[in-house]
Amino acid sequence: KQEVTQIPAALSVPEGENLVLNCSFTDSAIYNLQWFRQDPGKGLTSLLLIQSSQREQTSGRLNASLDKSSGRSTLYIAASQPGDSATYLCAALNQAGTALIFGKGTTLSVSS
Amino acid sequence: GAVVSQHPSRVICKSGTSVKIECRSLDFQATTMFWYRQFPKQSLMLMATSNEGSKATYEQGVEKDKFLINHASLTLSTLTVTSAHPEDSSFYICSVAGGSLGTGELFFGEGSRLTVL
Repeated sequence: KQEVTQIPAALSVPEGENLVLNCSFTDSAIYNLQWFRQDPGKGLTSLLLIQSSQREQTSGRLNASLDKSSGRSTLYIAASQPGDSATYLCAALNQAGTALIFGKGTTLSVSS
Repeated sequence: GAVVSQHPSRVICKSGTSVKIECRSLDFQATTMFWYRQFPKQSLMLMATSNEGSKATYEQGVEKDKFLINHASLTLSTLTVTSAHPEDSSFYICSVAGGSLGTGELFFGEGSRLTVL
């Protein structure tokens, strides 16, 4: 059974810092891995999607990498801003595309 | 990406009543929608997969008679929490697979906060 773990659970940084959020998964037989952002009491916003055959994806200040063999993904945020404060969730989609398993998320706080 | 709308965003009900939550795919015909539940500070947990025109597929431990799912059209799926109890209070989120063909990208609604008194 797939298990997704995110470390750290919470992170506080001053504005401008570069930071890395970690995600690990136990079953490497995935279709893709997705990173989402969730603001308090809100739904999810898709940030980046990495197909199982890809190594990384970039969007603006965000870069996500995938190492399927080691069961790890990282989300790199460059030059963090207060508006980046939110909970970041990673999720692994199984190969059948029928189950997206989420980690508990990393809650990021960026102070100005 | 796909635009997903949920209604209501918040609902408060008395114990024993039933509550219906709607999930609409506004710009995409979704043959499959997913329903998730999220308790405070917990992961999103997949409850069921809603298939247009057929019965939903429920995850282990989810009571199908309590959480009724109907996917009558390609743009609408509903989740009805029947005889709700305080322990059903949670954040319910639906999603659709709206990415380019084969990407498996999922898009989520804004969620519905259910509070059962």
